Amino acid sequence: EAGVTQSPTHLIKTRGQQATLRCSPISGHTSVYWYQQALGLGLQFLLWYDEGEERNRGNFPPRFSGRQFPNYSSELNVNALELEDSALYLCASSFQAGETQYFGPGTRLLVL
Amino acid sequence: GENVEQHPSTLSVQEGDSAVIKCTYSDSASNYFPWYKQELGKGPQLIIDIRSNVGEKKDQRIAVTLNKTAKHFSLHITETQPEDSAVYFCAASRWLVVGGATNKLIFGTGTLLAVQP
Repeated sequence: EAGVTQSPTHLIKTRGQQATLRCSPISGHTSVYWYQQALGLGLQFLLWYDEGEERNRGNFPPRFSGRQFPNYSSELNVNALELEDSALYLCASSFQAGETQYFGPGTRLLVL
Repeated sequence: GENVEQHPSTLSVQEGDSAVIKCTYSDSASNYFPWYKQELGKGPQLIIDIRSNVGEKKDQRIAVTLNKTAKHFSLHITETQPEDSAVYFCAASRWLVVGGATNKLIFGTGTLLAVQP
């Protein structure tokens, strides 16, 4: 069974640009979660989508947004990139809301 | 606010010895406690989890204990091997608490475990 997949693996942007990160959950999983892992800040919860709806949001500005598609894949958009947005962005999925979360390999975003 | 403290930040053991990592959480409504292992360049991998209706859970060389009264939980790895070397994260969340489910994982700051051959 394929795990959570994320694309791209690496992304380089300049300050002020927009970044789009993609995630495909494990087959059969309906919930998708996004986390940011920045150096020195650990893993921080960003967003939770379930059945196409945003269910919970972490303490991040509105320029971090996303959506979940009918096939349960998800997209994270970061607008007006800032240098401190440089981090590993991790996507996780679970069979249902509240079940065990399984992580993908992440997208490493570098903002210059 | 919600917070999970994790100790130690680094741990070096000899191959074959045991390793213990401890976490303390602040949200008394937390009822789900997973542990993840993250190797360099990879995403976190679930190694064991425990829910608040259980005090201890074991899977081969790995065990987790939970003390809800004290709000702390621990990871125990016995007979450590070099391939156990990685960063370990504890986490806590409210799982399907009626009216209060958040399903977001609050992570500890991680423990770098080095197993010396």
